[in-house]
Amino acid sequence: EAGVVQSPRYKIIEKKQPVAFWCNPISGHNTLYWYLQNLGQGPELLIRYENEEAVDDSQLPKDRFSAERLKGVDSTLKIQPAELGDSAVYLCASSFDGTTEAFFGQGTRLTVV
Amino acid sequence: AQSVSQHNHHVILSEAASLELGCNYSYGGTVNLFWYVQYPGQHLQLLLKYFSGDPLVKGIKGFEAEFIKSKFSFNLRKPSVQWSDTAEYFCAALLQGAQKLVFGQGTRLTINP
Repeated sequence: EAGVVQSPRYKIIEKKQPVAFWCNPISGHNTLYWYLQNLGQGPELLIRYENEEAVDDSQLPKDRFSAERLKGVDSTLKIQPAELGDSAVYLCASSFDGTTEAFFGQGTRLTVV
Repeated sequence: AQSVSQHNHHVILSEAASLELGCNYSYGGTVNLFWYVQYPGQHLQLLLKYFSGDPLVKGIKGFEAEFIKSKFSFNLRKPSVQWSDTAEYFCAALLQGAQKLVFGQGTRLTINP
């Protein structure tokens, strides 16, 4: 069974530039999460989808961050414009229905210079 | 606010030593509890989980955890650690009702051969 796939694995951009991350969850998983992980800290939820609906985006900085999950499968997380403080690992995870364990992708390490 | 606390930021042990990593959550409702492990350069992987029933759960690689409801705790244990257990360990709570998956800040475990 294929796991959660994220791309790119690494991204280096200059501040004020836009950046996008892509996630393909495990087939059949309705719940998709985007987390932010800073060095030495635990993952922090940015947004959770149930199918194509964003059901919890309370922690998403909406002035610069946006996300979408068209058709309830793949998802894209965008930052525009990026700031130095956005440097972190962005994790995507999925679960069958939000009541069971989440499976994580490898993450995208973003460096903003 | 709902949160998960891990008491130890960095634990250093010798091989064959016993391990116990603390985890406490703050949430008045029903929770599902997880321990995830992140080996160097790899993605987060599920170590074990507790949903209901026997509060002592066994996971992969000889790990176990005990849910103590009265103490809001879910501590991870292993009787004899190996060098290959060197990793970062994250406790997480899935808050039923809110359906939020909240992580602790992680514990870095270093095993000296």
